[in-house]
Amino acid sequence: QSALTQPRSVSGSPGQSVTISCTGTSSDVGGYNYVSWYQHHPGKAPKLMISDVSKRPSGVPDRFSGSRSGNTASLTISGLQAEDEADYYCCSYAGSYTYVFGTGTEVTVL
Amino acid sequence: QVQLVQSGSELKKPGASVKVSCKASGYTFSSHAMNWVRQAPGQGLEWMGWISTKTGNPTYAQGLTGRFVFSLDNTINTAYLQISSLKAEDTAVYYCARESGWAGDYWGQGTLVTVSS
Repeated sequence: QSALTQPRSVSGSPGQSVTISCTGTSSDVGGYNYVSWYQHHPGKAPKLMISDVSKRPSGVPDRFSGSRSGNTASLTISGLQAEDEADYYCCSYAGSYTYVFGTGTEVTVL
Repeated sequence: QVQLVQSGSELKKPGASVKVSCKASGYTFSSHAMNWVRQAPGQGLEWMGWISTKTGNPTYAQGLTGRFVFSLDNTINTAYLQISSLKAEDTAVYYCARESGWAGDYWGQGTLVTVSS
């Protein structure tokens, strides 16, 4: 199972929007409604930001949103804030009770 | 509140074994499966597999060798990851993550396993 493809890095100024893509195949991202996104600050535990493609867990700011088109899922951060600077990973169910993570994207707030 | 507390950092020599623990509290342990995820230095997150806390049945990621074993002790709400015949490339931070639906909603703080002679 190959890792899902994410851009290595994205950046934006405070208040701007950034979108992170996550490209897989019809056997993972495009085949199931089970794409999740995690925020990971180095040295800390990853935090669930989006589940089931677009569901936001309680406590996650509504400036984080998820979507999918075909085999590509996306995470959009609107109104970028300094504390959003972190690594972000997508993860998709890949059938047979297995999962696959994306390659990870570093978000920089300029 | 839900908490997953993992055991401390380990320094092991090649060929040795290590057992990482993940103690759960704040919820019914058998109601949620447990995933294991690792991050090697400078690399991304890698899903290793999961274990059913109801049946104890593990599912391993493709390519994960038999050196990795998931287990449970339901009497103390604890999941374990044991790695045998350690190699330098096993050096990583290992995380446990509670499964909720089809995502990991709570994560342990991570356990650094360093394999070095």
